[in-house]
Amino acid sequence: DAKTTQPPSMDCAEGRAANLPCNHSTISGNEYVYWYRQIHSQGPQYIIHGLKNNETNEMASLIITEDRKSSTLILPHATLRDTAVYYCILLANTGNQFYFGTGTSLTVIP
Amino acid sequence: GAGVSQSPSNKVTEKGKDVELRCDPISGHTALYWYRQSLGQGLEFLIYFQGNSAPDKSGLPSDRFSAERTGGSVSTLTIQRTQQEDSAVYLCASSLARQTDTQYFGPGTRLTVL
Repeated sequence: DAKTTQPPSMDCAEGRAANLPCNHSTISGNEYVYWYRQIHSQGPQYIIHGLKNNETNEMASLIITEDRKSSTLILPHATLRDTAVYYCILLANTGNQFYFGTGTSLTVIP
Repeated sequence: GAGVSQSPSNKVTEKGKDVELRCDPISGHTALYWYRQSLGQGLEFLIYFQGNSAPDKSGLPSDRFSAERTGGSVSTLTIQRTQQEDSAVYLCASSLARQTDTQYFGPGTRLTVL
């Protein structure tokens, strides 16, 4: 069963910030929010993850709402190489099925 | 350092034949995962190993699918009596220890069943 909901596709102008939303209204207290992306014909690549606090690394920022029911991945200055499918998934320490869903297909436009 | 490797990169087989797909995880990673991705679809979880044991086999689609891991390292995914609907890219990932550790993916094996 899908535990996350993402828009199927988005466009973003090159150089602008790309904001990718994810809804996870049934998230459990022990579930982390992870973001991966998959560039065509490659294996998925880790981007960032968080539990409650906002996180930032060299690739992106992750904003998690206070109630943890939604999050936003921010690519601050999108480049053409950021065109990919972006997956928002929930992972917990306890055994559960990892569901990647169909993600958001982001197209960065020159 | 070396990432996750998978072999073969491509496999074409005839319906009804058995196939074995191999995954070499990153050295020292105790957790290993298998997924499959059909054309235009998201990733479908198949099985998860912690060491040599598989606490979660819930994603295996049928009893034609099995997987093993030996020595806490290499894993093989076996599909018996392949069917055309088994055609997909099979992805392997490994993580350091826990399920919440970052998963590093291999390049995948593209399986085509004729």
